[in-house]
Amino acid sequence: GAVVSQHPSWVICKSGTSVKIECRSLDFQATTMFWYRQFPKQSLMLMATSNEGSKATYEQGVEKDKFLINHASLTLSTLTVTSAHPEDSSFYICSAGLQGNQPQHFGDGTRLSIL
Amino acid sequence: GENVEQHPSTLSVQEGDSAVIKCTYSDSASNYFPWYKQELGKRPQLIIDIRSNVGEKKDQRIAVTLNKTAKHFSLHITETQPEDSAVYFCAASIGAAGNKLTFGGGTRVLVKP
Repeated sequence: GAVVSQHPSWVICKSGTSVKIECRSLDFQATTMFWYRQFPKQSLMLMATSNEGSKATYEQGVEKDKFLINHASLTLSTLTVTSAHPEDSSFYICSAGLQGNQPQHFGDGTRLSIL
Repeated sequence: GENVEQHPSTLSVQEGDSAVIKCTYSDSASNYFPWYKQELGKRPQLIIDIRSNVGEKKDQRIAVTLNKTAKHFSLHITETQPEDSAVYFCAASIGAAGNKLTFGGGTRVLVKP
């Protein structure tokens, strides 16, 4: 149980393109989803916290207009990287927080490469 | 906000030896401390966690200890095996286990056969 599906797993696109990443909780309802970014050989850095039906809370230094987060339902959150540039190339991972003091469950991540 | 420091950044051990990774945190309100194992290009996998009302927790070859007073917690892996080679992250959060996590910098563990 508690499976988080993230799609796509790998994206390669040209600079200036906008890219959407989906994060779905398959067998549970996730009231909270988190988006992390991980550069090579570095740790996971929280970008934002999204709650269903409300605006995402962004961490300091993360541009909300560049990284658009939508959490329209209890099973789906999306991250859109707008006008992506090579410096946005990274591993993006979502996770879902369950109720009842359960640990977060992570998606498989999306490797984004901007040429 | 919370800051989590993790040491060492790399750790090389002989198969069968023990490995210890240490983390310190800054926010005394933190009360949930998970440890994750991440293999290259894959998701972090929860291997063990501890809450602030417990000082130690063990699961087979893996154990975690927590010192709330000193604000540090450690991961102990005994009888290491080559498949233990990975990057390990500690993390801390406040409140429920599903709340946002602050991660340490990671430790790259290499178990040499």
